[in-house]
Amino acid sequence: NAGVMQNPRHLVRRRGQEARLRCSPMKGHSHVYWYRQLPEEGLKFMVYLQKENIIDESGMPKERFSAEFPKEGPSILRIQQVVRGDSAAYFCASSAGTDPYGYTFGSGTRLTVV
Amino acid sequence: GENVEQHPSTLSVQEGDSAVIKCTYSDSASNYFPWYKQELGKGPQLIIDIRSNVGEKKDQRIAVTLNKTAKHFSLHITETQPEDSAVYFCAASTQAGTALIFGKGTTLSVSS
Repeated sequence: NAGVMQNPRHLVRRRGQEARLRCSPMKGHSHVYWYRQLPEEGLKFMVYLQKENIIDESGMPKERFSAEFPKEGPSILRIQQVVRGDSAAYFCASSAGTDPYGYTFGSGTRLTVV
Repeated sequence: GENVEQHPSTLSVQEGDSAVIKCTYSDSASNYFPWYKQELGKGPQLIIDIRSNVGEKKDQRIAVTLNKTAKHFSLHITETQPEDSAVYFCAASTQAGTALIFGKGTTLSVSS
């Protein structure tokens, strides 16, 4: 019974490149949440998706960031034209229900922009 | 805006002592309060949670208390062990109920 799978675990990008982070939810979970963790900080909510729908993107930066959760395949968090300030750990969580009760987090993707 | 304050930021205890971490939240509509443990290089792991219709919940050495009037909730770890050393985060559900607001974390160090 695999948990939430995130890949890659570590990602290095040069300034201006694109970063793609992938998240496969737990089996039976159809709700995916993305959070960002800056060094020495707590997690900050970015976006909540269900299959083929963005439900809440109130935490997403207005530019360069996008997310999707297609009918088939993992959820993708995409960051275009990365800058040094995008360096952080990005965590995905999934749940079976429509609220955050019982979130299960993945191990995260650590993005470093050089 | 919605906010969660967590104290202390660091906590050092001797093995066998108790540890208490406190959080306050700003949104009276919050109704779900989980606690997560994060070890180095790993994702947060849910260790205990409490809903607003309950004042206290206990699971072996871990307990959480909630005071909705004061908007406070606390994590209590008794008989601490070195393997309890980690960063602990409290969180509160948002008014919309679709996400969590996290505190900044407490680094707990248990020395033997």
